[in-house]
Order: sequence, then C-alpha cells, then structure tokens
Amino acid sequence: AQTVTQSQPEMSVQEAETVTLSCTYDTSENNYYLFWYKQPPSRQMILVIRQEAYKQQNATENRFSVNFQKAAKSFSLKISDSQLGDTAMYFCAFGASGNTPLVFGKGTRLSVIA
Amino acid sequence: DARVTQTPRDKVTEMGQEVTMRCQPILGHNTVFWYRQTMMQGLELLAYFRNRAPLDDSGMPKDRFSAEMPDATLATLKIQPSEPRDSAVYFCASGFYNEQFFGPGTRLTVL
Repeated sequence: AQTVTQSQPEMSVQEAETVTLSCTYDTSENNYYLFWYKQPPSRQMILVIRQEAYKQQNATENRFSVNFQKAAKSFSLKISDSQLGDTAMYFCAFGASGNTPLVFGKGTRLSVIA
Repeated sequence: DARVTQTPRDKVTEMGQEVTMRCQPILGHNTVFWYRQTMMQGLELLAYFRNRAPLDDSGMPKDRFSAEMPDATLATLKIQPSEPRDSAVYFCASGFYNEQFFGPGTRLTVL
C-alpha cells in the first residue's frame, strides 16, 4: 500500500518570499503520478500541480514548481513570490497509473503574512 | 468552464435520518470518486466507479453507506441511518487521464 507523509503540519512565510513544502511517499509502483492540491478556507480542493513519475523534468505552473526526486521518493512544492491568496492547506497526493484513487498526506497549513 | 457539482453544500440532520448526497461529474469523465475528509483521518476514499461500474467500496461502512451511479451524469452517496461519527466533508471527484477534479464538497453534520 502507498503512503504519503507531510512532515510539516504548519508553515508561515512573508508575502513575496519563497517557501518550500515537503512531501515523501512510499510505493512499489513504477508508473505513478504525484499531485499538490490547495484547499483554501472555502474548502474547495484545487489542483495546483502534477508530476508524472516517468518524466525527469520537474513540473512548473507559474509561481509553483516541484522538486521531484524519484530515488529518494521525495516531492516538494516551492511557492515563489508568495501571495496572501496562497494561504491554505496544501495536500500532497499519490496516484497509481490508470486513474486510480488518490492517497493523500495529512496536509500542511500555510499562512502567508503581510 | 467544466466543473464537478455537488448538492447539498451543507446538511445538518439528526441521528438516524437518511442523508443523500449527489454529484454531477464533468461530462466525458469516466471515473467518479467519493472521498471523506475529517480532522482525525484526513482525506480517505469511500468508493469509486469507472464507466458507472463500482470498482471499490471497501472504504465504506457497508451496513449504512451505499453509493450508486444511476447514469453517467449522476452519482449518489447515501447514509442510512446517519450517526454523529459520519459528520465530515464529503467530496466527489471526477477523473480523466490520471487527473482528478473535485467538487465543492458537502459538509454533513449529524446531531
């Protein structure tokens, strides 16, 4: 069974600064996908970024980028130029290939401070 | 702008009552997931369907929960009878090509 671990329950960052959220996972699968979801107070789960395990290049989406280390089973999220609207819970998730259910970490609560 | 819809958005009920939650997946998505979010357990899978066929419902208490997809545009999750420990946010997600899009969730409170 797959597991996802987010070791930072809470983090804070100053507006305009950069912050990195950590995630590690455990799996015996070779083909899989990794995701970061954002959950603001509205509770909507918003897909931030996704990484295919077979791709060596790290995914980027505007201010969001990942550092994917397959051998270390690590998948961190970097948020650059943090904005107040980035304040939310962030969940790391693992999905095996074939559009299967996601396994989520416990989340990291990020606060962006003005 | 395609999105997953869920109703109701919030539901408060009394213990023992039946609760029905509905989800309309994104048109063309062939996989529908039901997840539950609680403070203690986080996000966990209850059940999922592909092409309307149930693939896994091992996360659901079988004696009180049931999930169905009467057609491709509707998925339902029923709890009968409801209990206070069922209080949680229930999410439906619509999946296509290894990507899942979540609905806004139903916050259920069982008194």
